[in-house]
Amino acid sequence: DAGVIQSPRHEVTEMGQEVTLRCKPISGHDYLFWYRQTMMRGLELLIYFNNNVPIDDSGMPEDRFSAKMPNASFSTLKIQPSEPRDSAVYFCASDIRQGGTEAFFGQGTRLTVV
Amino acid sequence: EDQVTQSPEALRLQEGESSSLNCSYTVSGLRGLFWYRQDPGKGPEFLFTLYSAGEEKEKERLKATLTKKESFLHITAPKPEDSATYLCAVRNSGNTPLVFGKGTRLSVIA
Repeated sequence: DAGVIQSPRHEVTEMGQEVTLRCKPISGHDYLFWYRQTMMRGLELLIYFNNNVPIDDSGMPEDRFSAKMPNASFSTLKIQPSEPRDSAVYFCASDIRQGGTEAFFGQGTRLTVV
Repeated sequence: EDQVTQSPEALRLQEGESSSLNCSYTVSGLRGLFWYRQDPGKGPEFLFTLYSAGEEKEKERLKATLTKKESFLHITAPKPEDSATYLCAVRNSGNTPLVFGKGTRLSVIA
């Protein structure tokens, strides 16, 4: 398996624009997580899905953020409208099941909002 | 609320100089403690999972240990290629997603 695949790797956008980040989890993994990483706050969980259903979105910072998982092999994280403080690295991770198993991370999308 | 604190924030070692990284945690029933390595521009890469106090795991120059309140990542005779950020995370008995510390940035100088 190629691992968790994220696109794009880098995104530069202007404030106010819509941004869509994409993720393909590892085949067979039931859980998908979106994390955001900044120097100040480290890795923060935004939202996670189990079998394509959102379980906990309490980490989503504002209504400007939304996430979907239309099928087992694809998820999106959308920011509309984007703001400079959204600049961070966004990671997607997947897990075959929770419990004692580890999550596998993608390479991340570095978002810069100017 | 589950919390993970890692220290030091940054560590600079000479090649061959052994040391330890610390991960202190508070969690409502530990389901697992995880160590990851993260290289610049890449996603975290899984290293170890520890499940109970007293457990130890080794991989090359790295050894992870666990007590009821903290975990250590011991690095023996490090090499420059060990330079990375090391992240610690916990999962509680409620089976919630991993909660991460902010990491320790390790630099090993030849």
